Amino acid sequence: GEDVEQSLFLSVREGDSSVINCTYTDSSSTYLYWYKQEPGAGLQLLTYIFSNMDMKQDQRLTVLLNKKDKHLSLRIADTQTGDSAIYFCAVLRNSGNTPLVFGKGTRLSVIA
Amino acid sequence: NAGVTQTPKFQVLKTGQSMTLQCAQDMNHNSMYWYRQDPGMGLRLIYYSASEGTTDKGEVPNGYNVSRLNKREFSLRLESAAPSQTSVYFCASSEGQGPYEQYFGPGTRLTVT
Repeated sequence: GEDVEQSLFLSVREGDSSVINCTYTDSSSTYLYWYKQEPGAGLQLLTYIFSNMDMKQDQRLTVLLNKKDKHLSLRIADTQTGDSAIYFCAVLRNSGNTPLVFGKGTRLSVIA
Repeated sequence: NAGVTQTPKFQVLKTGQSMTLQCAQDMNHNSMYWYRQDPGMGLRLIYYSASEGTTDKGEVPNGYNVSRLNKREFSLRLESAAPSQTSVYFCASSEGQGPYEQYFGPGTRLTVT
């Protein structure tokens, strides 16, 4: 089955860039997602990338996909204290008929 | 639109007690999901319902049952609660299987003593 790995913690200073990394095992994965969970809340979709793309930019967010290495990253520019949250990588397998596979989540702490 | 709602928000059970977690969505979504979230374990899928009338096991189904009551509602039942089921439970829904955004409820924090 699909395995999605993320480091558990990341700490950055306010104003710096944050880079959250994710690796996955199934090379036939079609869509790759980043979800954000704020304290005490459910997850919300932040952004996604289709597997035929290398990069997607959306305001302060940049998603990079390296299909050869099966590596996905989320860069947050000018990180703010409001970006402190848990970020989950999620992968849709090729069949599309099974649910998303989520990583364990990376807890981002932003230090003022 | 309320989105995905879950009840209750908090619950404390004694070992062996039973309870049902309720979930409803008002977005006319076909697919619904139950997850549990534990520290260091991330989000694990318990059961899902791809469409009304169907349910399937996820990664960690043991000790749980589900009912897709209608298109709106998907409940999770613990027949005999165990301390290992202490967790935060999230319900989610999406238009269907495939590349659709999942919308999550606010969660139920369950403690089993």
